[in-house]
Amino acid sequence: KAGVTQTPRYLIKTRGQQVTLSCSPISGHRSVSWYQQTPGQGLQFLFEYFSETQRNKGNFPGRFSGRQFSNSRSEMNVSTLELGDSALYLCASSQSGRADLEVYEQYFGPGTRLTVT
Amino acid sequence: SQQGEEDPQALSIQEGENATMNCSYKTSINNLQWYRQNSGRGLVHLILIRSNEREKHSGRLRVTLDTSKKSSSLLITASRAADTASYFCATVANQAGTALIFGKGTTLSVSS
Repeated sequence: KAGVTQTPRYLIKTRGQQVTLSCSPISGHRSVSWYQQTPGQGLQFLFEYFSETQRNKGNFPGRFSGRQFSNSRSEMNVSTLELGDSALYLCASSQSGRADLEVYEQYFGPGTRLTVT
Repeated sequence: SQQGEEDPQALSIQEGENATMNCSYKTSINNLQWYRQNSGRGLVHLILIRSNEREKHSGRLRVTLDTSKKSSSLLITASRAADTASYFCATVANQAGTALIFGKGTTLSVSS
C-alpha cells in the first residue's frame, strides 16, 4: 500500500496570506489527524477527522481549519498567516475508528515544511 | 499541552551501548505508544503497549509501563548509528478518537 502523502512538501508564504495543505491517507484509513511541530512547542495536535466529521480539535485559534472529503483525503487551511505559524505540519492516518484496546497506530506522512516570512 | 514528558531530553552513546528513555504522563490511559522521528521527517510507529501490559518487546526494543507511576520506558539494546533520531511517547488525547498527545521527545545520538 502507498503511504500517507502530503503536498506540498515545502512552502514559503508571507504574513497575512493563507495556505492550504493537503493529505492523502493510506487506502482504507478513515481517520486523519493533523499535527504542528515547532522547536519550541514540539508536536501539537491540531484536529482529527473521521468520516468527514471533525472528531477532535486541539487548542489552536480559529485561523486553523480543516476538512475531510468522502475519499478520506483531508486539507487544512491557515488564514492570516503569522510568523509563528512557521512549522512542520504532519498528517497521520489511522485504520481504527475509535480509541479502544485495538491496535491503532498512526501512520505519518513526510510533512509540509511551512515558512512564513 | 504535552501529555508525556520524556527524560532525558538528549542522550549521546556509542554504538553497541544500550539507550534508555523515560516518559511520564498525566492522565489515565488505555495504551501508550512510542514513535521515532528522523531529522525533520515524519514519525514512525515503534511499539504500542496496553495499560494491562507491563512489558513488551519488539526486536531490539523493550518497553515497560508502570500505570501506578504513570511512566513508561523505552530501551534500545545494542544501539546502531541508524538509531540516531528523536523518540516520542504518545497517548490518546481522549476516548472520542485516535488523536495523540506527544511528549517533547528524547534526541538520541549514536556515534560509531
